[in-house]
Amino acid sequence: KNQVEQSPQSLIILEGKNCTLQCNYTVSPFSNLRWYKQDTGRGPVSLTIMTFSENTKSNGRYTATLDADTKQSSLHITASQLSDSASYICVVSDRGSTLGRLYFGRGTQLTVWP
Amino acid sequence: EADIYQTPRYLVIGTGKKITLECSQTMGHDKMYWYQQDPGMELHLIHYSYGVNSTEKGDLSSESTVSRIRTEHFPLTLESARPSHTSQYLCASSEEHRGLTEAFFGQGTRLTVV
Repeated sequence: KNQVEQSPQSLIILEGKNCTLQCNYTVSPFSNLRWYKQDTGRGPVSLTIMTFSENTKSNGRYTATLDADTKQSSLHITASQLSDSASYICVVSDRGSTLGRLYFGRGTQLTVWP
Repeated sequence: EADIYQTPRYLVIGTGKKITLECSQTMGHDKMYWYQQDPGMELHLIHYSYGVNSTEKGDLSSESTVSRIRTEHFPLTLESARPSHTSQYLCASSEEHRGLTEAFFGQGTRLTVV
């Protein structure tokens, strides 16, 4: 069964600190993995996309890593800001179907305190 | 920011009423989706469409129906709303670029059935 598991479920950090969010998946055949940021009451917005051949990708203070062998990804946030408070969702696409199916994790709820 | 719009953003309605959630995109995408998301939970696919006059049910059983008469428009209808339908509904569209699926989400409709 294709699944995406994220940890931790929730995380509270102080402004300025770094944090790392984890994503493990069993989706096969793997196409790509995205991290989305979802603010409360809004739709998800894409942060990064990782393909099979990529190990790391940065987008400002966000750095995503991918280990396709162990089927693990992480999202590292440096120098956190209050605006980083949101749910971070790991989404994996397969390439075995016409739809290009998207499999969603439950997300990590990040809260940044001043 | 993605050109995909949902209305209304919030809706409180009585049991038994018929409602239609609107979703429109101006990007010319053939593939569109409806997801249901409860607080702290992952997105569940309830309907999708490959193009005009093409609609399919998703993974999560839903009493809602959809139609796709125009490429840009993908409304979702509940014939008789019930409290169990209370949830957030997210519409998305996607495009393929170099073999990668890029999904764009609307802001969501928060539905409360009383």
